[in-house]
Amino acid sequence: SQQGEEDPQALSIQEGENATMNCSYKTSINNLQWYRQNSGRGLVHLILIRSNEREKHSGRLRVTLDTSKKSSSLLITASRAADTASYFCATDKAGTYKYIFGTGTRLKVLA
Amino acid sequence: DVKVTQSSRYLVKRTGEKVFLECVQDMDHENMFWYRQDPGLGLRLIYFSYDVKMKEKGDIPEGYSVSREKKERFSLILESASTNQTSMYLCASSPVTWNEQFFGPGTRLTVL
Repeated sequence: SQQGEEDPQALSIQEGENATMNCSYKTSINNLQWYRQNSGRGLVHLILIRSNEREKHSGRLRVTLDTSKKSSSLLITASRAADTASYFCATDKAGTYKYIFGTGTRLKVLA
Repeated sequence: DVKVTQSSRYLVKRTGEKVFLECVQDMDHENMFWYRQDPGLGLRLIYFSYDVKMKEKGDIPEGYSVSREKKERFSLILESASTNQTSMYLCASSPVTWNEQFFGPGTRLTVL
């Protein structure tokens, strides 16, 4: 199975609401990243959080990391229709150059 | 702005054809990656390269090979395309290990 597993698989909310998606992973990491993918396009990097950090903010994005539970969450506040996309977490595989991507959360923001 | 370009957005090939997918990055990144993306399976790493002429297998290298003759260019080769290689192929680059990856727009390959 994937190193990173996002939850939920799909999420539908109204514009202005907050969206929270979660990522769980299995092995020790150096850092965890979140990416966004608009339909049929490449991925865009959103935020990177290192294993010694617990929380990080970037604009309307807030990421938390709990290494004891091997989980992370991405919160998008005051969502907009333009936030409609799939969101992926990626964890580095310790000792390698590799990142393992999860299967993603599909977010739909209704106007 | 970092730019990663891929040679085609859409490609249709026949079973048994040799297929080249090319990726070029303009930011002098050491690392380059090829992924395929399939519904329900997320992104899976095919190959990556951490230097010119250096390559390492990812999680699903079977049926694929790669070439990196110049730092900016990383090619994915399907020696004999098969229908189960129909997928979205994504190229990415990153400056150093454990850092953000910059993705190209993807190539949607259909093998008939």
